[in-house]
Amino acid sequence: DIQMTQSPSTLSASVGDRVTITCRASQSISSSLAWHQQKPGKAPKLLIYKASSLESGVPSRFSGSGSGTEFTLTISSLQPDDFATYYCQQYNSYSGTFGQGTKLEIK
Amino acid sequence: QVQLVQSGAEVKKPGASVKVSCKASGYTFTSYGISWVRQAPGQGLEWMGWISVYNGNTYYAQKLQDRVTMTTDTSTSTAYMELRSLRSDDTAVYYCARHGGNGYFDYWGQGTLVTVSS
Repeated sequence: DIQMTQSPSTLSASVGDRVTITCRASQSISSSLAWHQQKPGKAPKLLIYKASSLESGVPSRFSGSGSGTEFTLTISSLQPDDFATYYCQQYNSYSGTFGQGTKLEIK
Repeated sequence: QVQLVQSGAEVKKPGASVKVSCKASGYTFTSYGISWVRQAPGQGLEWMGWISVYNGNTYYAQKLQDRVTMTTDTSTSTAYMELRSLRSDDTAVYYCARHGGNGYFDYWGQGTLVTVSS
């Protein structure tokens, strides 16, 4: 099974900051990587797919990059609505493993 | 608009089975796969498996493959996930999610809380 490792587990930041979350796959997954945002008590929401494609309706301050085994999610200027938990997810080879999540907290 | 509406919360005893439904609307049901994902209280997301609605092929996470069955009813555009031999650590919110494109999850159901308790 493909394992996904996210870092950091928790990130404290302020409104207006630029933040980056990293996700590593245990083997190459090409660009089969998505990022989801989850708020407490809510279902996850797709932000990025195919490593760098922005889902329709998602603000352009969110961006993704990477391929193979190393991926990043960047939020260029944090807004109050962005404080949530973020998960990477690989969808290669008929499976859909998630990273353990990164909780983005207000500093 | 695409919607996935799941069945309501369940309380089950250890050893029992649960079957959660996910009714799709707003798109051609047979054109997209459906995955099931669960989230234990305070924990992260765990992928359970997926079903190709087109041909019924299933792909399960190794740790659950002996206890889980995913099916669909194309006449009602509904997907089902049955989990057997429930244990307390199966207590979680269970989500269905549609496969967009090559398999990323583009739409999610609202979640169904399954509580396993004696």
